[in-house]
Amino acid sequence: DTEVTQTPKHLVMGMTNKKSLKCEQHMGHRAMYWYKQKAKKPPELMFVYSYEKLSINESVPSRFSPECPNSSLLNLHLHALQPEDSALYLCASSQGGLAGDPDTQYFGPGTRLTVL
Amino acid sequence: AQSVTQPDIHITVSEGASLELRCNYSYGATPYLFWYVQSPGQGLQLLLKYFSGDTLVQGIKGFEAEFKRSQSSFNLRKPSVHWSDAAEYFCAVGEGRGSTLGRLYFGRGTQLTVWP
Repeated sequence: DTEVTQTPKHLVMGMTNKKSLKCEQHMGHRAMYWYKQKAKKPPELMFVYSYEKLSINESVPSRFSPECPNSSLLNLHLHALQPEDSALYLCASSQGGLAGDPDTQYFGPGTRLTVL
Repeated sequence: AQSVTQPDIHITVSEGASLELRCNYSYGATPYLFWYVQSPGQGLQLLLKYFSGDTLVQGIKGFEAEFKRSQSSFNLRKPSVHWSDAAEYFCAVGEGRGSTLGRLYFGRGTQLTVWP
């Protein structure tokens, strides 16, 4: 099973709201990723967690706050977003590469975020 | 630096016709190559990947890709396209083996339209 789940599927929020996106995987993967994707563009990496520790932050504004409570769960907390943050937010997971094989990322269906 | 070029932004084919989507990469070491497909509003689904060995790799949904080191290419092919293949296709090169996380570098994508 290579399923990554994301909730909610759609989210509309105002610029003063606080909301969270959730991502879950039960494949035993130890690396999890957040991507942002604008229309007609490839995904852009935002954050990477490895063994529940933040490994990569691609200079993402602080209004996006990731959290990895355990190895199966990844959250993205949103606060004071701007309209230009409207996008599809994708979560992915991978084994973590420690098995010696190159990593393969498996993506969730995404959360469509609209900021008004 | 790693980079991926997908020369074709948009391709249109008739249902039942053959398909080839082009992908060229730039990477200093042995590349790990992926093709993902994305239907509108959905996440990315892994079609196939190349790590080593046989340079012709088979994927899901009847797709295959051939790795040509001399041409730095990893083109995706399908002998007979179905209307359900209409989607965005992303080629990506991944880095890392062992402890390095599998960061992905995406091409800009190729939009496939299928005429009935």
